[in-house]
Amino acid sequence: LAKTTQPISMDSYEGQEVNITCSHNNIATNDYITWYQQFPSQGPRFIIQGYKTKVTNEVASLFIPADRKSSTLSLPRVSLSDTAVYYCLVGVQTGANNLFFGTGTRLTVIP
Amino acid sequence: GAVVSQHPSWVICKSGTSVKIECRSLDFQATTMFWYRQFPKQSLMLMATSNEGSKATYEQGVEKDKFLINHASLTLSTLTVTSAHPEDSSFYICSAGTNYEQYFGPGTRLTVT
Repeated sequence: LAKTTQPISMDSYEGQEVNITCSHNNIATNDYITWYQQFPSQGPRFIIQGYKTKVTNEVASLFIPADRKSSTLSLPRVSLSDTAVYYCLVGVQTGANNLFFGTGTRLTVIP
Repeated sequence: GAVVSQHPSWVICKSGTSVKIECRSLDFQATTMFWYRQFPKQSLMLMATSNEGSKATYEQGVEKDKFLINHASLTLSTLTVTSAHPEDSSFYICSAGTNYEQYFGPGTRLTVT
């Protein structure tokens, strides 16, 4: 399993765009990059997943450079309810493989 | 779709007693189920992986005789914490996997007094 490195914490004001970068230098050819969001006392919630270039859904965008050794989760116009821990995971896309959760990034949105 | 439930959502038990936590996939059949433990302000740590009808595979450092996992069907896995101690107090999260994705339950807060 490729190890990931993220900033431990970030602060942002409401309405701003937030970019959280994750390093995964040892990513394998078959690995996908997945981001989860976790609120206190809740299970992780899937946000977005990608393999290369850019992926966008209704809540976030994921930017992956050509070498795939890093990725950036972009949250547009954050609100107070986006305060949570965000985890970047790298692994083969299958429901049968265990997921390795790194330290995550604790995002605090300030009014 | 793809909802995973856990029961109970929280439980308080006395030291030395056993507690059972259920994990159910409500609208799909899970080929694999996973159990994680999360201490305050820490990340999720995988405890074990289980497939229906077979013995669970435990991660290094997790006592299989203390944390009993039963995966009786494709929609139900249970984790029993035997002879619980205060240091077992934690947030326990399960996930259920299909061939392509994992879906997480809401977690169970265990407090051992």
